[in-house]
Amino acid sequence: AQSVTQPDIHITVSEGASLELRCNYSYGATPYLFWYVQSPGQGLQLLLKYFSGDTLVQGIKGFEAEFKRSQSSFNLRKPSVHWSDAAEYFCAVEGSQGNLIFGKGTKLSVKP
Amino acid sequence: ETGVTQTPRHLVMGMTNKKSLKCEQHLGHNAMYWYKQSAKKPLELMFVYSLEERVENNSVPSRFSPECPNSSHLFLHLHTLQPEDSALYLCASSRGTSYEQYFGPGTRLTVT
Repeated sequence: AQSVTQPDIHITVSEGASLELRCNYSYGATPYLFWYVQSPGQGLQLLLKYFSGDTLVQGIKGFEAEFKRSQSSFNLRKPSVHWSDAAEYFCAVEGSQGNLIFGKGTKLSVKP
Repeated sequence: ETGVTQTPRHLVMGMTNKKSLKCEQHLGHNAMYWYKQSAKKPLELMFVYSLEERVENNSVPSRFSPECPNSSHLFLHLHTLQPEDSALYLCASSRGTSYEQYFGPGTRLTVT
């Protein structure tokens, strides 16, 4: 069965520092992968997606993610974090029914 | 984010009440979803509708009853809920069941 692991529950970075959030997935075929962000009290906003092709995908708000099949990973990166990036980030993989299977999320705190 | 709306945003109900959550999407999508988000647990898929037909029901208790009268509207009817049903209920829509999903802001439900 498909699954997603986000090993970091909570990460704190300084404003202006680089960021990498980890995501590992379990899927038999080529996966469809997604990163979403959720601000407190809000729904989820799609940051980026990977379906096929170039393994480095660009998203909104300056985020990017790299699909590495050999490592079953789809890590999210940003070169310089802004205070407004503080939120919870969810990695997801498409399930067999076309639904999304989410990781438990990584909460990002940003220090001034 | 305004593509998918949910009402009410907050709901407090007793265990013997009956209430309904409403979701509306303005994106011309054909698939709609209900998810449950509880503290410290991954997002759980509850129901999937594609072209107004239910295609997924992840063994959700019968006290939750979905209704999809057309491709733009999705309801979740609630009755005789338990305190452990308190959670954020998120609605999402997509072009089809293998496309990225767009989420509404959620309904924060508290069962007393």
